[in-house]
Amino acid sequence: AQSVTQLGSHVSVSEGALVLLRCNYSSSVPPYLFWYVQYPNQGLQLLLKYTTGATLVKGINGFEAEFKKSETSFHLTKPSAHMSDAAEYFCAVRDNTDKLIFGTGTRLQVFP
Amino acid sequence: DAGVIQSPRHEVTEMGQEVTLRCKPISGHDYLFWYRQTMMRGLELLIYFNNNVPIDDSGMPEDRFSAKMPNASFSTLKIQPSEPRDSAVYFCASSIMTGGYGYTFGSGTRLTVV
Repeated sequence: AQSVTQLGSHVSVSEGALVLLRCNYSSSVPPYLFWYVQYPNQGLQLLLKYTTGATLVKGINGFEAEFKKSETSFHLTKPSAHMSDAAEYFCAVRDNTDKLIFGTGTRLQVFP
Repeated sequence: DAGVIQSPRHEVTEMGQEVTLRCKPISGHDYLFWYRQTMMRGLELLIYFNNNVPIDDSGMPEDRFSAKMPNASFSTLKIQPSEPRDSAVYFCASSIMTGGYGYTFGSGTRLTVV
């Protein structure tokens, strides 16, 4: 069965610091992996996705993620955090019925 | 495209009343999902439809919850009777299920049952 584990329910960084949000997956089919962001009082918005091809994928707002099959990971990074990045981030993997399985989310706080 | 449209954005109702949440998916999307989000339980998939047909309703918490999709452009989630523990944000999402498309979410309906 497919599953996603997000390490750390809360991550705090200073403005300008590196953002690293961790996601590990389990999948019995070639994984399609996604990161979503949820700003307060809004729905989830697709940040980026990996389906096939290049393992380093770039998304909106300067975020990127690298698919590492050997580590079953798909960590999300951003070189320099901005106050506007404060939000909740969800990792997701496609399951074998093509539904998305979401992780429990990581809340990112950015301090000035 | 206006995206996935949900109404109302906020709903406050008294315990025991019927509540109906509405969703208009993106045109051409053949999958529609209803999710519930709470602090305690996170994001839960309640039910999903493919081509207007319910495929999996195993996430529907109890018989008080029902969902319909009478046509490709409209779906409802009904709670009758509502209870305080139903208070949550309810999201609708739609997708085409090929090529790793992902889901497009609506802005949600914040339901408060008092």
